[in-house]
Amino acid sequence: NAGVTQTPKFRVLKTGQSMTLLCAQDMNHEYMYWYRQDPGMGLRLIHYSVGEGTTAKGEVPDGYNVSRLKKQNFLLGLESAAPSQTSVYFCASSSGTVSLRPQHFGDGTRLSIL
Amino acid sequence: AQSVTQLDSHVSVSEGTPVLLRCNYSSSYSPSLFWYVQHPNKGLQLLLKYTSAATLVKGINGFEAEFKKSETSFHLTKPSAHMSDAAEYFCVVSEGTNAGKSTFGDGTTLTVKP
Repeated sequence: NAGVTQTPKFRVLKTGQSMTLLCAQDMNHEYMYWYRQDPGMGLRLIHYSVGEGTTAKGEVPDGYNVSRLKKQNFLLGLESAAPSQTSVYFCASSSGTVSLRPQHFGDGTRLSIL
Repeated sequence: AQSVTQLDSHVSVSEGTPVLLRCNYSSSYSPSLFWYVQHPNKGLQLLLKYTSAATLVKGINGFEAEFKKSETSFHLTKPSAHMSDAAEYFCVVSEGTNAGKSTFGDGTTLTVKP
């Protein structure tokens, strides 16, 4: 059972470069999320999607864009990376609203911006 | 608005002794509450959830939590700690009005001494 798979697992970028993080889930979940985790802090929501073709802003959306062209995939893009975006990024999915359904998490992408 | 406070950033116990991880929440509506565990370099895994059913919730690996509305608390307990319980634990609150939004606590690191 793959669950939620994140690609890549590690990446180092230079300031100003762009990249896309891929999240894939095989559980047929409607809801998908992107979080960032910084030292000593809980996860903060960047963007989320309640279904194919939909996206919405979370708590810290600036500097990021997302797309949900297929139900199973949720892409997170950094157009012009900044050192403040150095973080661990987690993707999650759920079968319904987070007030009723638990989230299933990937193992994270560790991103460093130099 | 919703918020969550984990009262201890670090907890250290000896193997075989009880575990208590404290969580207080704030919510304008009837909240759903979750505890997740994160082992090093891994994603978060659901331990247990409260969604307005029984106030004493049993989870995996012998953990349980009690929802106390009068105290706005959702503390996590386990009668006897095991070495494998060493990890970071997150308390999470979600309101029914926010389809995609959860608020995570800053986490409690549990250390288990032999």
